[in-house]
Amino acid sequence: GQQVMQIPQYQHVQEGEDFTTYCNSSTTLSNIQWYKQRPGGHPVFLIQLVKSGEVKKQKRLTFQFGEAKKNSSLHITATQTTDVGTYFCAVDSNYQLIWGAGTKLIIKP
Amino acid sequence: EAGVAQSPRYKIIEKRQSVAFWCNPISGHATLYWYQQILGQGPKLLIQFQNNGVVDDSQLPKDRFSAERLKGVDSTLKIQPAKLEDSAVYLCASSLVERRAAFFGQGTRLTVV
Repeated sequence: GQQVMQIPQYQHVQEGEDFTTYCNSSTTLSNIQWYKQRPGGHPVFLIQLVKSGEVKKQKRLTFQFGEAKKNSSLHITATQTTDVGTYFCAVDSNYQLIWGAGTKLIIKP
Repeated sequence: EAGVAQSPRYKIIEKRQSVAFWCNPISGHATLYWYQQILGQGPKLLIQFQNNGVVDDSQLPKDRFSAERLKGVDSTLKIQPAKLEDSAVYLCASSLVERRAAFFGQGTRLTVV
């Protein structure tokens, strides 16, 4: 069945540094969704990408969908403490939403 | 707009006991999901409803888990009997359209001792 690989599992950054997480699929995706889950919280929908090569921005967050629609990335510029949490991608496959394992963003003290 | 409501927020039970969780989705959302999230892992879909019909329950341990959404609105998820490995957060989510943006409730943290 469809699997989605999300890397890295963890990323430690200094506040102010950038952060990127990637989702990769072996098959072409119809769309991809990104969610953020704060520690102790529930997943919160961030965005959905549908078009090949699509780039969307939300303030310091930049989301990209690959030209082949097999991969996607979320990039955060100049991280802040409010960005701490786990970022998940989720892909649409065979009437299911398949979730990546998540990338945990940790801000070094 | 009211969000997804779940209750209870926390539950502690002994193994072999039964437990039930309740979810009220966002008004008008036809699709309702129950997820299990074990600490440090991503959400795992247990069951998906479209209105009051089951779309996908392939990962629901049917020998002990059951779920219903009788009137196509709120839903209950039951575990009977509970095992230690059922300790997790149970998340309910709803979406306006199937497999599109899902909005989650706060979850129920279940501890089985």
